Amino acid sequence: QVQLVESGGGVVQPGTSLRLSCAASGFTFSSYGMHWVRQAPGKGLEWVAVISYDGSTQYYADSVKGRFTISRDNSKNTLFLQMNGLRAEDTAVFYCAKDGVGTYLDHWGQGTLVTVSS
Amino acid sequence: QSALTQPASVSGSPGQSITISCTGTTNDVGRYNYVSWYQQHPGKAPKLIIYDVSNRPSGVSHRFSGSKSGNTASLTISGLQAEDEADYYCNSYTYSSTRVFGGGTKLTVL
Repeated sequence: QVQLVESGGGVVQPGTSLRLSCAASGFTFSSYGMHWVRQAPGKGLEWVAVISYDGSTQYYADSVKGRFTISRDNSKNTLFLQMNGLRAEDTAVFYCAKDGVGTYLDHWGQGTLVTVSS
Repeated sequence: QSALTQPASVSGSPGQSITISCTGTTNDVGRYNYVSWYQQHPGKAPKLIIYDVSNRPSGVSHRFSGSKSGNTASLTISGLQAEDEADYYCNSYTYSSTRVFGGGTKLTVL
C-alpha cells in the first residue's frame, strides 16, 4: 500500500532555513508527480508546490515562490521541500501527497509540523 | 491564486442530504473538469473522496457525489451519518498549472 512519511519539521527562527523530506513506498515513485500542501494551526489547506514525475517541472503557490524549492531523488524514493527565509506565517503542518494523474492528490502523508518563532 | 469559495459550515441530521458548494473562476473550476474533494477528520490527514468533478475512488461510499455547473462545483452527501462529521475541502487545477484549495467547510451532523 502507498505510504508517505514526512520528516524534518521543527522549531526554527524567522529568516532561517529548513528542509523537509518525504519518504515514499508502495508505488513506483518515479512515475508520479508529487505535491506539498500545508495547513496552519486551525486553518484550511493551502497548496504549496508540485513537481513532475522526473523532476523537470515545478510549480509554486505565489506565497512561497522564490523562497521554497521542491525537488526529488527518484533513486531514493524521496521528495524534498527546501524552505528559505522562513516567516511566522509559514508555521503549519506540511503534508506531502502523491499526484493521481495530474488532477488530484490521491494519497497523503501524516504531516510534519514546522513552527517559525523567535 | 485566490482560494476557492466554500461555505464555512453546513449541518444536517442523520439520514438527510447536504450539499457543499465550491465557487471559483473561469481560470480554475470553470475551465477544467479537474475538481477534487477531500475529507479531513480532526488531527488526521486529508482523504480524497471525489476526483475529476464526479468520480469516486475505490472504497469511497456511494453516498458521496460531485457535480459542476459553470464556475461552481458541488459535493453532495446523502444519508448523512455521524462519521461524516468532518471538514471538507475542494481543490481545482488552474490555468497556470498550479492547484488551489477552497477555504474548507465544517460539516456538523446534528
